[in-house]
Amino acid sequence: DTGVSQDPRHKITKRGQNVTFRCDPISEHNRLYWYRQTLGQGPEFLTYFQNEAQLEKSRLLSDRFSAERPKGSFSTLEIQRTEQGDSAMYLCASSSWDNTQYFGPGTRLTVL
Amino acid sequence: AQKVTQAQTEISVVEKEDVTLDCVYETRDTTYYLFWYKQPPSGELVFLIRRNSFDEQNEISGRYSWNFQKSTSSFNFTITASQVVDSAVYFCALSQMDSSYKLIFGSGTRLLVRP
Repeated sequence: DTGVSQDPRHKITKRGQNVTFRCDPISEHNRLYWYRQTLGQGPEFLTYFQNEAQLEKSRLLSDRFSAERPKGSFSTLEIQRTEQGDSAMYLCASSSWDNTQYFGPGTRLTVL
Repeated sequence: AQKVTQAQTEISVVEKEDVTLDCVYETRDTTYYLFWYKQPPSGELVFLIRRNSFDEQNEISGRYSWNFQKSTSSFNFTITASQVVDSAVYFCALSQMDSSYKLIFGSGTRLLVRP
């Protein structure tokens, strides 16, 4: 049984560049979540999809952030014009109707 | 507002000691879920347990046990006979039973088990 996968695992970029992360949820999980975790803190919710519909976005998700889940399978998170404050671990999780979220290994973003 | 507090930032124990990680939560909802996750040095969050707000029965799984008390809004986690492999950051989380079921995490407790 394949777990949640994320790509890339690490990303180093220069300030002002755009980056895109991918998440592949556990197959048949209809719910998908993105979280952001900074050093020494717990993960913070960014956005939620049920199938292909984006149903909730956190105030943390500025206009520079956009997420998609075409066809209700994998999801992408794009950050435009990255800033040093965007440096963090970006975590993806998925769940089925039992509402237990299983997390991927995360993508660590470093903005120079 | 919903909030999870893990007051213990870091705990250090010697192998085979028992250790309890505290979790206190705040919510105005009458129905909710509580979770514990483990984050080893590799970084991936590993699901440990989920409890429903209407089920206060304590649970034991091997060396792990959980004590849920609605009266004190606490959901504490005990590791019996700790092992070096238990070293990790442990997060307590709360989820409302609303449309998204998003998780609200505490700041985590770093557990170091020394040989």
